[in-house]
This record gives sequence, structure tokens and C-alpha cells, in this order.
Amino acid sequence: EPEVTQTPSHQVTQMGQEVILRCVPISNHLYFYWYRQILGQKVEFLVSFYNNEISEKSEIFDDQFSVERPDGSNFTLKIRSTKLEDSAMYFCASSAVTGNTGELFFGEGSRLTVL
Amino acid sequence: QKEVEQDPGPLSVPEGAIVSLNCTYSNSAFQYFMWYRQYSRKGPELLMYTYSSGNKEDGRFTAQVDKSSKYISLFIRDSQPSDSATYLCAMSEGNTPLVFGKGTRLSVIA
Repeated sequence: EPEVTQTPSHQVTQMGQEVILRCVPISNHLYFYWYRQILGQKVEFLVSFYNNEISEKSEIFDDQFSVERPDGSNFTLKIRSTKLEDSAMYFCASSAVTGNTGELFFGEGSRLTVL
Repeated sequence: QKEVEQDPGPLSVPEGAIVSLNCTYSNSAFQYFMWYRQYSRKGPELLMYTYSSGNKEDGRFTAQVDKSSKYISLFIRDSQPSDSATYLCAMSEGNTPLVFGKGTRLSVIA
């Protein structure tokens, strides 16, 4: 069964360092997303990406964040200068059609710990 | 008022019980309603999807949407220990990203 894969599963970094989280969406999907879940909190939308550009982003997705699809398979989330409050589980998701109507396929997540 | 409210539990039931999970919401523009299941240290997995009001059944799972009350439910019949997970409701207007509830942690005891 096709799945979304994410690396690394866990990353520990120092405050102020740059972090790149990587995702390989399902191959025939066209819409890509990053969500995050702070421990004990809701899953929150960060950004959606379609046709090689950001289609929507939340207030959380400020100038410290960027996304890229550098080749035909990877989808990355970069945090330029990490803060303590960036510690969370980051989920990549993809969908064949716009995921705003529900059918998102999530990866297992990358846990980011900022010290 | 928070946009989507969900009792975090935990909810503990004996095997075979009927489980009822619920969410309320404030945004009357929500049209798409989903339930995701999340096992520990895994990503959310889509369980049920409903458009607008009504019921939808899939095996042991039934999703209900009551838009007049802004209330959605997920029923699990004949619950199994393998159903132990966190259940997240999520909803969308259709042209906006999903908004998730906080999740209800369910334990089904054998």
C-alpha cells in the first residue's frame, strides 16, 4: 500500500539552528501539506503546496519556515532558526485531490526537539 | 469559543462495548467532516468522511453529522482492543484547510 514517508523520525537541535524535515509523498498525489502537533495540543495546519507553489499558509508559517519540492519526489520543510516553541511533531501529508475535503494521507511524523 | 471542541478523555471501555465519540463546532460554514484515528507515535489515518449532514456506516463504524446542532459523532460497535487509539475529528469548509479537534484517547480493555 502506498504511503507517505518522513525523515528523520526524531531530530534534536539547538535553538537557532536550521532544520530540514523531509517527506516523500505518495507518487501520484498532487497536493502536499505540512501539519504540526505540539505535545498535548491539536494537529495544526502549517502550509499547503500545489503546482510547485504555496497555495495556502497559516499564521504559524512565518518567515522562519519555507517549503520546497526540489525534485519529483521529495517535499521538504525548512525551519531557518529554530525556537524552543518549534518543538513538536511535524506531519507531512499528501492527497490526490484537494485535501480540504478530507482525504489526506499522513506520514508517521518527524519529532523535533529544540533545546 | 474554540472552533472545534472535543473531549480529550481518556475513555476506557470493555471489549464489545459501543463507543460514542463526539465533537462540537462553532463554524456553520463547515461542510466536510472527518474522523481520523491516530495510534501512538503514528500519523493520523482517515477513518470516516462525511459531506454535510447525515449518517455514514462502514463496518463497525458509523459517523453522524447534525449541522443544525453543530455536532458530529462517531460510533464504534463491538469495540476491540485494536481500536485503542486517539480519535481526531476534523472539518473543513471545503476551500479551507482542515481544522482538527484535540482528539479523544480511547482504551478498549480485553
